[in-house]
Amino acid sequence: AQTVTQSQPEMSVQEAETVTLSCTYDTSESNYYLFWYKQPPSRQMILVIRQEAYKQQNATENRFSVNFQKAAKSFSLKISDSQLGDTAMYFCAFIYYGQNFVFGPGTRLSVLP
Amino acid sequence: KAGVTQTPRYLIKTRGQQVTLSCSPISGHRSVSWYQQTPGQGLQFLFEYFSETQRNKGNFPGRFSGRQFSNSRSEMNVSTLELGDSALYLCASSLYSGQGNEQFFGPGTRLTVL
Repeated sequence: AQTVTQSQPEMSVQEAETVTLSCTYDTSESNYYLFWYKQPPSRQMILVIRQEAYKQQNATENRFSVNFQKAAKSFSLKISDSQLGDTAMYFCAFIYYGQNFVFGPGTRLSVLP
Repeated sequence: KAGVTQTPRYLIKTRGQQVTLSCSPISGHRSVSWYQQTPGQGLQFLFEYFSETQRNKGNFPGRFSGRQFSNSRSEMNVSTLELGDSALYLCASSLYSGQGNEQFFGPGTRLTVL
């Protein structure tokens, strides 16, 4: 069974600083997809960033970037220039062909003014 | 395009009752997945439907069931409710099933079982 681990239940960061959220996963598959989703308080879950395992280049989306280490099965999310609106639960997720998404337990990030 | 909608948004039921939750996916999306979200267990996969067929099923008892209609709308039913079924139930839609497409989530239905 595929598993996703997020070892940091809670984190905080000062506004305008950089923070990195960790994610590791366990799979024997070679072709798969990894995601970071964000769930703000009382709001809908939205996609932050997506990475295809066969692509070596790390995905980036504005202030959000990932460090994808396939051999280590690690997929961390870096948020630069943190903003108050980044306060949310962040979920790491994994999927491979034909199967359902598997989500990690989440990291609660608080951005402090 | 309108996003994923879920109805009702809030629901209060008592033990032993049954409940039906509804999800309307984004237009054109054929895959609908359901998740149970609780503080202790996080996001747990319930099942996925694609083109009216259940494609995957999570590790939940048979009291949890679902279906998908020809217009891709999906319903989830929970029979004989238990206190532990209190949770946020999230629906997510995507274009296809299991191909790494982004899932778009609805706002959820918060179910409270008394």
